[in-house]
Amino acid sequence: NAGVTQTPKFQVLKTGQSMTLQCAQDMNHNSMYWYRQDPGMGLRLIYYSASEGTTDKGEVPNGYNVSRLNKREFSLRLESAAPSQTSVYFCASREEGNYGYTFGSGTRLTVV
Amino acid sequence: SQQGEEDPQALSIQEGENATMNCSYKTSINNLQWYRQNSGRGLVHLILIRSNEREKHSGRLRVTLDTSKKSSSLLITASRAADTASYFCATGYSSASKIIFGSGTRLSIRP
Repeated sequence: NAGVTQTPKFQVLKTGQSMTLQCAQDMNHNSMYWYRQDPGMGLRLIYYSASEGTTDKGEVPNGYNVSRLNKREFSLRLESAAPSQTSVYFCASREEGNYGYTFGSGTRLTVV
Repeated sequence: SQQGEEDPQALSIQEGENATMNCSYKTSINNLQWYRQNSGRGLVHLILIRSNEREKHSGRLRVTLDTSKKSSSLLITASRAADTASYFCATGYSSASKIIFGSGTRLSIRP
């Protein structure tokens, strides 16, 4: 039972490069989320998807796009990376009727 | 902006002692959750308390919620070295499935 799987685990980008962070869950959860965590801080919501085919902005959506490819997969794209996007990115999912989230192990992204 | 604010920001106690962390929030909530994060890892859901509940237990964890004061506390009894981690509260709302995290309490257990 893998839970929530994120790839890659580490990535270094140059300013202006683009990349996609992948997230997949095998628990048949409807809702999926992308958060970023900066040093010494809690998690801030970037985007979420309450169900397949829908996406909504969170607290800090600027500079990001998302795709809910199917029920399992929710990807986060940085079109033109900036140093301010250096962070640890976490994907999470939630079962309908259960408010507790299941998190992936994170992607540590550095933009130089 | 973050909804929940944890207090203290850092806490160091002796193994075997109890650890208490507090969370305050600003607007009415549907539920409040506590998560643990070990260094370099993802968050793990510990416990959820709904707005109509006042206290909840899970093993060595006890959570209280005071909606009149907009605050919650997490008590870890008989602490162990493995409890060393950051603990986050997160507030949930009935109108959306998203939750908002606080900035966390770093708990260190001294042997």
